[in-house]
Amino acid sequence: EAGVTQFPSHSVIEKGQTVTLRCDPISGHDNLYWYRRVMGKEIKFLLHFVKESKQDESGMPNNRFLAERTGGTYSTLKVQPAELEDSGVYFCASSHGAAGGGYEQYFGPGTRLTVT
Amino acid sequence: GIQVEQSPPDLILQEGANSTLRCNFSDSVNNLQWFHQNPWGQLINLFYIPSGTKQNGRLSATTVATERYSLLYISSSQTTDSGVYFCAVERGRHNFNKFYFGSGTKLNVKP
Repeated sequence: EAGVTQFPSHSVIEKGQTVTLRCDPISGHDNLYWYRRVMGKEIKFLLHFVKESKQDESGMPNNRFLAERTGGTYSTLKVQPAELEDSGVYFCASSHGAAGGGYEQYFGPGTRLTVT
Repeated sequence: GIQVEQSPPDLILQEGANSTLRCNFSDSVNNLQWFHQNPWGQLINLFYIPSGTKQNGRLSATTVATERYSLLYISSSQTTDSGVYFCAVERGRHNFNKFYFGSGTKLNVKP
């Protein structure tokens, strides 16, 4: 079984540009999550999809971030326009199950975003 | 939210030494996982352990959910164990599935 994959592995962009990160969850996993670790700080939750619906987007920092999961398969996270403080590692995770939780989350290798 | 505290924040070991990392959390949890972030930034899943004890090679973990803590044991440490170890919990009693992460323990194993 293939794991969670993320693309690209590393992106370097200039301030003001746009970047789109992609996540392919494990096949059959309805739950998809985005997290990020910036400036060596804690890993923080961004948002959670159940299939194609946004279950919880309370962690999205501002309206420069847009996440989509069309068809309930892969997800994209777009940052437009990127700012310096957006630099960090963006992780995607997926899991089985519906509401109630308690399911193991499988993490992808992350996308390292550097904004210069 | 739920508070997740990890200790110690930094740890330096000589190769071959043993260590214990601790994770305390402030509320009941549905799920607890331990991760190792390697030098390339990747998060490696070590244990899915909402309760009980598990072992995988030189690593083992114990979660005492009723007392709201988990321990990660590393025996006979190797330089490849270096990196940051994160504990993450998912709150119980709610239908929310997001993880709350601790701030991590940065481990440096010296040859």
